[in-house]
Amino acid sequence: DTAVSQTPKYLVTQMGNDKSIKCEQNLGHDTMYWYKQDSKKFLKIMFSYNNKELIINETVPNRFSPKSPDKAHLNLHINSLELGDSAVYFCASGQGVYNEQFFGPGTRLTVL
Amino acid sequence: AQTVTQSQPEMSVQEAETVTLSCTYDTSENNYYLFWYKQPPSRQMILVIRQEAYKQQNATENRFSVNFQKAAKSFSLKISDSQLGDTAMYFCAFMNPTGANSKLTFGKGITLSVRP
Repeated sequence: DTAVSQTPKYLVTQMGNDKSIKCEQNLGHDTMYWYKQDSKKFLKIMFSYNNKELIINETVPNRFSPKSPDKAHLNLHINSLELGDSAVYFCASGQGVYNEQFFGPGTRLTVL
Repeated sequence: AQTVTQSQPEMSVQEAETVTLSCTYDTSENNYYLFWYKQPPSRQMILVIRQEAYKQQNATENRFSVNFQKAAKSFSLKISDSQLGDTAMYFCAFMNPTGANSKLTFGKGITLSVRP
């Protein structure tokens, strides 16, 4: 049973297109996150949601819009894709004393 | 703002030997958590070990242990009896546990290769 799942795992698209990445967690956690891992493998927080409410928005371009229909899902929609958006995007969820975060398998986005 | 520094970009170790990965961080907080994550070629992020700043005892998980020096803001990971499956990128991460505002701040990572 996958704890945090993302679809798709790979996404190849042209500049200027709009695309979405879906994330679902079955851990019952209240908080979900999006992280971006760039070509140099550096990981950085983008957003967090708690019970469908946006909590963290780390100066991400407004072409990126997260949407949380319920606390088990956090989707990432990206408008007008640019070459620099090519990266691996990780969804994570967390709860508890440590707020230990469990990561999804990542989505490798390639913008041509 | 917190920063996490991993100054070694890569290391190599012989199978069955011990290796230590370094990490330093900077924060003005007193209560926080530190983590080591492993990212194998499959790119899955796997939690290896965590340390609460208020605990003086170093965390241990099987072959993995940390050397946490709070005053020096140092958090190194020791891998004993290295195995081929330990080959991966390792990320040190910091978290200030503020509930829903908690976020992981990562270092740049280190690539570890275990040689047969």
